[in-house]
Amino acid sequence: DAGVIQSPRHEVTEMGQEVTLRCKPISGHDYLFWYRQTMMRGLELLIYFNNNVPIDDSGMPEDRFSAKMPNASFSTLKIQPSEPRDSAVYFCASSSGTGGVQPQHFGDGTRLSIL
Amino acid sequence: QKEVEQDPGPLSVPEGAIVSLNCTYSNSAFQYFMWYRQYSRKGPELLMYTYSSGNKEDGRFTAQVDKSSKYISLFIRDSQPSDSATYLCAMIPLSYGNKLVFGAGTILRVKS
Repeated sequence: DAGVIQSPRHEVTEMGQEVTLRCKPISGHDYLFWYRQTMMRGLELLIYFNNNVPIDDSGMPEDRFSAKMPNASFSTLKIQPSEPRDSAVYFCASSSGTGGVQPQHFGDGTRLSIL
Repeated sequence: QKEVEQDPGPLSVPEGAIVSLNCTYSNSAFQYFMWYRQYSRKGPELLMYTYSSGNKEDGRFTAQVDKSSKYISLFIRDSQPSDSATYLCAMIPLSYGNKLVFGAGTILRVKS
């Protein structure tokens, strides 16, 4: 079975540029999560969707961050304009809502460097 | 105080040793408990998932939950160099929907 697929795997860009991260969840999963991981703060939940609808975006750090899920098989996380402090690894995860609380399955992340 | 406390390590053990990894938590509403393993430059991979207090075994791995003490453990028997990774505990309280709360992760190094 294909897992969660993220692209690109690595992104290096200059401060002020727009960055778009992409995620394809596991087929049939109806929850999708975006996380950010840094050495200082560990794994932080940014936003999550249920059935393509944003449920909780309280972890989104600033208005520069936005996320969309136009359909069940695709989501984007956008940073505009990007800043050096946004450098981190961004993970997407998905889970099924069937049968109660189910564990989340993670992609391999996008390593983002803002110069 | 963080909701979930986990010693970041690193924990260094010889090959074949029994490893004990632990997390404590403060919120008694946590009901679902997971352990994830994360290799360098990879995403967290689910190892164990349990709901109730007690032990759950899967091969060389045993997850233990003590809700009365708010304490969870992961034991690895016959540890191998391939077990070298960061181990993250994670929990979900009933009131958070599907939101995971992670520990900081413990770096484990198994020396051959």
